[in-house]
Amino acid sequence: EVQLVESGGGLSQPGGSLRLSCAASGFTFSSHAMSWVRQAPGKGLEWVSYISSSGGTIYYADSVKGRFTISRDKAKNSLHLQMNSLRVEDTAIYYCARDEVNKDVADYWGQGTLVTVSS
Amino acid sequence: EIVLTQSPATLSLSPGERATLSCRASQSVGNHLVWYQQKPGQAPRLLIYDASNRATGVPARFSGSGSGTDFTLTISSLEPEDLADYYCQQRSHWPTFGQGTKVEIK
Repeated sequence: EVQLVESGGGLSQPGGSLRLSCAASGFTFSSHAMSWVRQAPGKGLEWVSYISSSGGTIYYADSVKGRFTISRDKAKNSLHLQMNSLRVEDTAIYYCARDEVNKDVADYWGQGTLVTVSS
Repeated sequence: EIVLTQSPATLSLSPGERATLSCRASQSVGNHLVWYQQKPGQAPRLLIYDASNRATGVPARFSGSGSGTDFTLTISSLEPEDLADYYCQQRSHWPTFGQGTKVEIK
């Protein structure tokens, strides 16, 4: 069974940092591209960052470029999002999502971790 | 950035009725259009990919159509468990989502 379990969310002050993790199981992690998608409270979905299966291709939304860093650990089957210089508008549930192999389709999503940025 | 506009914002229908949800793209996305269902308090769930292909395990009452800039998600006969927000998404370019359609059950 495919499982994606996010962790690392919590409360941060503006300007602070958090590191999100997504533990993957039930599939060959190294074969799948992965992404982070967020949802502000009561709002819609926003794609945040993408990393290819090899880690060689990475994209960021303009809203987080230069502040967030996506990475993956093949040995630990985990995905990470290092979030620096956090802003109030980064407050959201952060989901990790798996792409179907060789398709631009996020077919499995974790349950999300809540990040709150507030003074 | 490709903007996806969904309509209506809210759809209120009775069980058994047909629901038609629209998604319009600001420029052509070919058939690279995906529909997700998000029930209250849950993560999004993949329903339809490549505009018209049902994902594994999705009931046959859900269908997708369209290409280019105009797409439709149809629920042929609403069930109470279809209460959810529905989002379209394109990945022809940097991924963007529509603002969602809320389906309410009368």
